[in-house]
Amino acid sequence: GENVEQHPSTLSVQEGDSAVIKCTYSDSASNYFPWYKQELGKRPQLIIDIRSNVGEKKDQRIAVTLNKTAKHFSLHITETQPEDSAVYFCAARGNAGNMLTFGGGTRLMVKP
Amino acid sequence: EPEVTQTPSHQVTQMGQEVILRCVPISNHLYFYWYRQILGQKVEFLVSFYNNEISEKSEIFDDQFSVERPDGSNFTLKIRSTKLEDSAMYFCASRENWWQNEKLFFGSGTQLSVL
Repeated sequence: GENVEQHPSTLSVQEGDSAVIKCTYSDSASNYFPWYKQELGKRPQLIIDIRSNVGEKKDQRIAVTLNKTAKHFSLHITETQPEDSAVYFCAARGNAGNMLTFGGGTRLMVKP
Repeated sequence: EPEVTQTPSHQVTQMGQEVILRCVPISNHLYFYWYRQILGQKVEFLVSFYNNEISEKSEIFDDQFSVERPDGSNFTLKIRSTKLEDSAMYFCASRENWWQNEKLFFGSGTQLSVL
């Protein structure tokens, strides 16, 4: 089955700096890669997603890049704000089914 | 904006007891899921459900677990005889037709504590 690794597990940045979170996946047939933000005690919220036929997608301060050859994808947050502080999960959907496999999460802390 | 709703938000039960977690997926969605998250860990897939039957399940989803869509709106997860290690946040999720919209929407979760 699909295996998703995520790094780093914690990330601390100053407000206004950029943050990058990286994930690798194992199933070369995976075709959908969403990113979720989870605030403490709350549900995971989809913030951006990308399909395998696209290399990059941007939504305001958030962007995701995908390298299919290397089987990794990254989340980029620019001009970070304290409200960006949360746990971020990457996920991948393998070709074998419709379930998502999640990475281990990154706790992002944005210091004012 | 439509949301996946889950009840109860918290459930405390004794080991060996049966629990039923309830979910109301978004109304026009066709794929339904249960995931769980042990405190501080990743979100883990349990089961997916489509067209009134299980389409996929993980190793976690053993004979103690079952799912049901008893009517047109509810989607339930039953744990027959709870164990201490079943303590976790259980998230229901739903999705539209996969060929049109792949976005998965999560409910607010049920925190299950098995004592």
